[in-house]
Amino acid sequence: EPEVTQTPSHQVTQMGQEVILRCVPISNHLYFYWYRQILGQKVEFLVSFYNNEISEKSEIFDDQFSVERPDGSNFTLKIRSTKLEDSAMYFCASSEVGLSQHFGDGTRLSIL
Amino acid sequence: KQEVTQIPAALSVPEGENLVLNCSFTDSAIYNLQWFRQDPGKGLTSLLLIQSSQREQTSGRLNASLDKSSGRSTLYIAASQPGDSATYLCAVRRGETSGSRLTFGEGTQLTVNP
Repeated sequence: EPEVTQTPSHQVTQMGQEVILRCVPISNHLYFYWYRQILGQKVEFLVSFYNNEISEKSEIFDDQFSVERPDGSNFTLKIRSTKLEDSAMYFCASSEVGLSQHFGDGTRLSIL
Repeated sequence: KQEVTQIPAALSVPEGENLVLNCSFTDSAIYNLQWFRQDPGKGLTSLLLIQSSQREQTSGRLNASLDKSSGRSTLYIAASQPGDSATYLCAVRRGETSGSRLTFGEGTQLTVNP
């Protein structure tokens, strides 16, 4: 069964550094998402992306965050200047029109 | 603002028992509702999707129901097994636009004891 893949599985970064999290969505899906889950808290929506532009973003997704689909397969989340509170599990998801969102295994981001 | 609540927060049952997990949401204007399973340190596995026009969906030993007007969904697990031990998450999609967000509950942590 096709799946969403995320790399790396764990990223450790110094505060203030830039980090890029990478995702390969399911190949025939058109909608892409990023969510995050701070340890012990709910999964929170960050942003959705369709047709090479952001279709919706949450209040968490401020100017420090950006997303990009640099080629036909990858979907990336960049955090420009990381803060301690950015430490979380980041999940990528993708979906077809109107159907289930399928999630990757996540990238655990640890900010030191 | 949509709020999703799941009760109970944790549940421990002996193997073979039938059980019900509850999810409630504050805004009944949803497009669909999705149930997920999350194993420790892992991603979310989609279990069932119920469209707002549907009342229930079934997959194997799992049955999910939706009462949109009262803002409730239940996930019924029949004949539970130790392999069912995981956290179960409920999420609602608010809009008809396919890119619209999922809003998650905090989950029910299920332990099935052999």
